[in-house]
Amino acid sequence: KNQVEQSPQSLIILEGKNCTLQCNYTVSPFSNLRWYKQDTGRGPVSLTIMTFSENTKSNGRYTATLDADTKQSSLHITASQLSDSASYICVFMIKAAGNKLTFGGGTRVLVKP
Amino acid sequence: DGGITQSPKYLFRKEGQNVTLSCEQNLNHDAMYWYRQDPGQGLRLIYYSQIVNDFQKGDIAEGYSVSREKKESFPLTVTSAQKNPTAFYLCASSFTENTEAFFGQGTRLTVV
Repeated sequence: KNQVEQSPQSLIILEGKNCTLQCNYTVSPFSNLRWYKQDTGRGPVSLTIMTFSENTKSNGRYTATLDADTKQSSLHITASQLSDSASYICVFMIKAAGNKLTFGGGTRVLVKP
Repeated sequence: DGGITQSPKYLFRKEGQNVTLSCEQNLNHDAMYWYRQDPGQGLRLIYYSQIVNDFQKGDIAEGYSVSREKKESFPLTVTSAQKNPTAFYLCASSFTENTEAFFGQGTRLTVV
């Protein structure tokens, strides 16, 4: 069964600090891996999209990495801002399932001043 | 503004009633999707449509119905057969299954 597990479930950090969110997966093979940011009560917004062959992708202060050997992806947030408070979701597009999206449960990040 | 619009943002329904959630997009996307989001869980696919007048069941289609009469519109009906309908519902669209999906702002449905 394809599984996507995110950790931690929630995280509190001080403004200006860095943090790293983890996504462990057993899905295989997959077409691409996406990280989304979801503000409370809103729809998810795409941050990065990586193919299986890529191992890092940046979007401003957000950097996603992919390690196919350990089946881990991470999202690193640099110099956090109050507006980074949101849930972050990793999502896999799975080839064997007709390119359907499989979502992790998300990590809720709270940035405090 | 180009985008994908869901309405209403909040919806209350009495038990036993059907209710329809609206999803409209002006992005000229062929594919549209409905997901359900429950606290602490990943999004789960209810229905999807790759082309007008065609749609497929997702992982949790029971108790839901959809139609795709126009490219721009993909309404979701939550029927009285859905045992636990209270949830946050998200609609998304993309050019094809392989391209990036854009999400609407969601509809929070509460059954009272």
